[in-house]
Amino acid sequence: TQLLEQSPQFLSIQEGENLTVYCNSSSVFSSLQWYRQEPGEGPVLLVTVVTGGEVKKLKRLTFQFGDARKDSSLHITAAQPGDTGLYLCAGWGSTGRRALTFGSGTRLQVQP
Amino acid sequence: DARVTQTPRHKVTEMGQEVTMRCQPILGHNTVFWYRQTMMQGLELLAYFRNRAPLDDSGMPKDRFSAEMPDATLATLKIQPSEPRDSAVYFCASGLVLRQVFSPLHFGNGTRLTVT
Repeated sequence: TQLLEQSPQFLSIQEGENLTVYCNSSSVFSSLQWYRQEPGEGPVLLVTVVTGGEVKKLKRLTFQFGDARKDSSLHITAAQPGDTGLYLCAGWGSTGRRALTFGSGTRLQVQP
Repeated sequence: DARVTQTPRHKVTEMGQEVTMRCQPILGHNTVFWYRQTMMQGLELLAYFRNRAPLDDSGMPKDRFSAEMPDATLATLKIQPSEPRDSAVYFCASGLVLRQVFSPLHFGNGTRLTVT
């Protein structure tokens, strides 16, 4: 079983602060995705990273894929209340198992 | 905007009753996943289908759970008999999964199941 561990589990910060969420595994993934989930809804894709060492930016969000394709991070600059939600990393397995395994999630609350 | 539709949104039932959850995936997607989400376990993969064929259902208790895809527009997840520990939000997701393409999964809004 390919497991993804996220840290921290919970994060409560003030508007304007920066934060980083980590996603770690002992397994190698073909690619890694980050999703955001709001209450009462399903997760929605934010980004896909494929190449080891890849960095992608989405406005104030920066995503990085580890060189060995086992870990990833999400950095948010100047967090806003609208960033509040559950952030999930998810890894696509190797050729033999084209399934998406989700991490445990990081619940972020940004106070105005 | 194409979306995954799940019914019902909420289901409250008594222990021992049969529960059927339905999902209409996005047209053109070749893969359908069933996930279960709880506070303790997070999002767990229960089963998934590719081109309607079941590929893996090792994540679900086979003595009481069954997943089928009778046609390209309908996936079902059935629990019989249901137990209180089955209480969770069940998500269906669909995507276009090809050899070297990692498409996003599109999730429905889930079925919130409560078994008393």
